[in-house]
Parts: sequence; structure tokens; C-alpha cells
Amino acid sequence: EPEVTQTPSHQVTQMGQEVILRCVPISNHLYFYWYRQILGQKVEFLVSFYNNEISEKSEIFDDQFSVERPDGSNFTLKIRSTKLEDSAMYFCASTVAMNTEAFFGQGTRLTVV
Amino acid sequence: QQQVKQSPQSLIVQKGGIPIINCAYENTAFDYFPWYQQFPGKGPALLIAIRPDVSEKKEGRFTISFNKSAKQFSLHIMDSQPGDSATYFCAARSPGGGADGLTFGKGTHLIIQP
Repeated sequence: EPEVTQTPSHQVTQMGQEVILRCVPISNHLYFYWYRQILGQKVEFLVSFYNNEISEKSEIFDDQFSVERPDGSNFTLKIRSTKLEDSAMYFCASTVAMNTEAFFGQGTRLTVV
Repeated sequence: QQQVKQSPQSLIVQKGGIPIINCAYENTAFDYFPWYQQFPGKGPALLIAIRPDVSEKKEGRFTISFNKSAKQFSLHIMDSQPGDSATYFCAARSPGGGADGLTFGKGTHLIIQP
């Protein structure tokens, strides 16, 4: 069964450092998303991406965040200068089209120390 | 108005019992209400979903009940099994949105005791 894969599963970084979280969406999917989940809290939408550009972003997704699809398979989330409050589980998701079922990856646990 | 409130936060049920998880929303424009199941170390997986034009949907042992006037919906798990132990999230989607329109509840940690 096709699945969304994310790497690494756990990343520890020092405050102020840049991190890149990687995702490989399902191969025939066209829409890509990042969500985050702070420990004990709800899953929150960050950004959606289609046709090589951001289609929607939440107020959480400030100038410290960026997304990229550097090649035909990877979809990345970069945090330029991490803060302690960026510590969370980050989920990538993809859909074959708008308004279709979202498939989530297993997540990357980011710990900022 | 974009919030989805989910309760309880945690739930312990004996095997064979019927756990019920409730969600309430404010935005009457929401047009799609999915439930996600998440096991430790895994991402959320779509379990079952309902649209506001029906009051109930059943898939196997999982049933969604939807009350449009009360702006509430709930998940029932019939004949619950220890393998159903997971975190369950309700969500709601804004019209015209794909996954980017999903607003999640805080989740319910469900334990089914053998």
C-alpha cells in the first residue's frame, strides 16, 4: 500500500539552528501539506502546496518557515532559526486532488533544546 | 469559530464495550467531518467520515452519529477490542478546502482493556 514517508523520525536541534524536515508524498498525489502537533495538543495546519507554490498557510507559518519541492519526489519543511516552542511532532500529508482523503506520514518529532 | 471541541480527553473501556467520543463545532459552514485514528509512532489515518446531509454512517464496527441542529457529532465503536486502543481525533473541513481546511479536535486517548 502506498504511504507517505518522513525522515528523520526524531530530530534534536539547538535553539537558533536551521532544520529541514523531509517528506516523500505518495507518488501520484498532487497536493502536499504540513501539520504540527505540540505534545498533548491538537493537530494544527501549517501550509499546503500545489503546483510548486504555496496555496494556503496558517498564521503559525511565519517567515521562519519555508517549504520546497526540490525534485519530483521530496517535499521539505525548513525552519530557519528554531525556537523552543517549535518543539512538536510535524506531519506531512498528501492528497491526490483537492477535497480527497489526506494520507499522513508517521511524523517527525522535533525537539529544540 | 474555527474550533472543534472533543471529549473526553481519555477513556478506558472494557473489551466488548461501546466507547463514545464526542465532538462539537461552531462553524456551520463546515461540510465534512472525518475521524482519524492514530497509533503510537504513526501518523493519523482516516477511519470514517460523514457529511452534514446524513445523521448516521456506519462502517464495520465504527459509527458516526451527526446532529446538525446541535452542531455535534460522535464516534461509537461497537464490540471494542484491545486493538482499537489508540488516539482518536475528530476533525471538520471548511468548504472548498482539501486537507488544508481540516480543523482537528484535541484527541481522545482510548484504552480497551482485555
